[in-house]
Amino acid sequence: SQQGEEDPQALSIQEGENATMNCSYKTSINNLQWYRQNSGRGLVHLILIRSNEREKHSGRLRVTLDTSKKSSSLLITASRAADTASYFCATESGSEKLVFGKGTKLTVNP
Amino acid sequence: SAVISQKPSRDICQRGTSLTIQCQVDSQVTMMFWYRQQPGQSLTLIATANQGSEATYESGFVIDKFPISRPNLTFSTLTVSNMSPEDSSIYLCSVVKTGNTIYFGEGSWLTVV
Repeated sequence: SQQGEEDPQALSIQEGENATMNCSYKTSINNLQWYRQNSGRGLVHLILIRSNEREKHSGRLRVTLDTSKKSSSLLITASRAADTASYFCATESGSEKLVFGKGTKLTVNP
Repeated sequence: SAVISQKPSRDICQRGTSLTIQCQVDSQVTMMFWYRQQPGQSLTLIATANQGSEATYESGFVIDKFPISRPNLTFSTLTVSNMSPEDSSIYLCSVVKTGNTIYFGEGSWLTVV
């Protein structure tokens, strides 16, 4: 069963705006990861945040993790049309298996 | 060069036939994972492929439908048996390497007609 639940399911913004996607999960985790999937392509790993971390940055990406609320957010700043893709969170709870959320479909309009 | 090579990348299959997907890794790994992504959906784990033992299947997936081989530490196959249109999906292989970095193959896009 899906553990991660992203919201919103779909997000449409203008180029230059920030995009925030949220993910909630149900059980204890070792880490939470965010992936991007462009239409018709495979998964691209974006960022991993461990359960003892609260925030992580990578370029225009900022991920936060609140283990007390069992939630995470992915912020993409100064979005570009090339950021148009589906974004998935996935949790890992010690077995190296990933449980994926349903994903957020992001559209960045030029 | 790619960490994982999956074959075929795409295929159109006839109903009732079976197709075997191959996953080749560029170095030895302990566990390999097979995921399915149905159209417009997220990824769901099918099974964990361990070398030297039977694969471990997740709820809703059975060996008769998705037999898996793991003959060595760099290779695995997933067969989708007796396919129906509901099996039209992307099938992805995944591995965990040193430092807990997870890699995915590009996926095998199957359409069953």
